[in-house]
Amino acid sequence: DADVTQTPRNRITKTGKRIMLECSQTKGHDRMYWYRQDPGLGLQLIYYSFDVKDINKGEISDGYSVSRQAQAKFSLSLESAIPNQTALYFCATEGVYGYTFGSGTRLTVV
Amino acid sequence: GNSVTQMEGPVTLSEEAFLTINCTYTATGYPSLFWYVQYPGEGLQLLLKATKADDKGSNKGFEATYRKETTSFHLEKGSVQVSDSAVYFCALRAGGTSYGKLTFGQGTILTVHP
Repeated sequence: DADVTQTPRNRITKTGKRIMLECSQTKGHDRMYWYRQDPGLGLQLIYYSFDVKDINKGEISDGYSVSRQAQAKFSLSLESAIPNQTALYFCATEGVYGYTFGSGTRLTVV
Repeated sequence: GNSVTQMEGPVTLSEEAFLTINCTYTATGYPSLFWYVQYPGEGLQLLLKATKADDKGSNKGFEATYRKETTSFHLEKGSVQVSDSAVYFCALRAGGTSYGKLTFGQGTILTVHP
């Protein structure tokens, strides 16, 4: 099994729908991150968490929320999806040796 | 705030050619610098890093030197292979900490032809 697992891998949803992207890890790391990747823009930080009780907004948190259900699980929600949230979303954990990224969730909002 | 700028892409090379991907940064203090690689359909993987000025990070034939005077961290490889085709991201982490959020450049697509 992958160290950082994201589900679903691909999702198409309609404008206005609520959607949750899930991330689970087996690394035992406290620090977890959600990034969004858009072509030509690199990765932008949405939210991050340094432990279960510590949640912080990143650069582009508007329209998103997160939940850290346990050390191993960090979910990203779009409360009311809009087309410009179409992107590739990455979850990552951070330990002593740096980041471990999941394989990403490709989200399309139509 | 912190920012990272990478050279415009995409970059297309023939196998065994020399590769340079430019990266410059803006940050206060002494950031740590990273290069990540993303292969098709996968997440990012750390390629190399440098944590202080004049450090050289190296891995799999790739090298980058932390140049404080020019605020640069250019990625180089002497002889690329088809298997090096991927997207390369330069990134920084603010100085004064050994962990925390990364600021990424926009990514450079590299395609290597046989």
